[in-house]
Amino acid sequence: SYVLTQPPSVSVAPGQTARTTCEGTNIGYKSVHWYQQKPGQAPVLVIYSDDDRPSGIPERFSGSKSGNTASLTITRVEAGDEADYYCQVWDSGSAYRVFGGGTKLTVL
Amino acid sequence: QGLLEESGGGVVQPGTSLKLSCAASRFTFTRPPTHWVRQAPGKGLDWVASTLYDGSNEYYADSVMGRFIISRDNSKNTLYLHMNSLMVDDTARYFCATEGEGGSFGHWGQGTLVTVSS
Repeated sequence: SYVLTQPPSVSVAPGQTARTTCEGTNIGYKSVHWYQQKPGQAPVLVIYSDDDRPSGIPERFSGSKSGNTASLTITRVEAGDEADYYCQVWDSGSAYRVFGGGTKLTVL
Repeated sequence: QGLLEESGGGVVQPGTSLKLSCAASRFTFTRPPTHWVRQAPGKGLDWVASTLYDGSNEYYADSVMGRFIISRDNSKNTLYLHMNSLMVDDTARYFCATEGEGGSFGHWGQGTLVTVSS
């Protein structure tokens, strides 16, 4: 089965830039989506199809992809950005939806 | 903004069954809820099952294949998850979600908690 690998944690000071990654074989051929989940809340889609933002998501959130790695970047990090972030792809061949293990973003 | 409401969770014994519901209430979504995703306590997100709006196809994670059935009643705008032969490892909060762009999950409910314990 398809596997997405994320670092377990990332830490950043307020106002700085946070970047987390998502690695998967041939991820360049798949659309990557990113979700933010705060404690006790449902996930929220923050980036879809590699680099598009849903309405209402700040421009500080951006996505990119290079080789077998997708990245979520958050500029001018705020305390309210502290959350778990998950990447996800849809394997159209099998119709499976796969999540990465998640990265906990800590704002110092 | 619409609202997705899951219900039907609870505490059950291993080997028993449970039926979850997800209703899209008060508002009309561009796309209806067609997915279930779960999250075990303290763990990450885990896709469970998906169906098409017309119910013509169903897709399941290997861990629930043959035990869970996803269905929907379009007249009630409600999505269901019939869970059979429940195991302790099925303990999780179960979220329903709508189809988003490119195979994403666009909108999520708050989830319903299922605890399987003897």
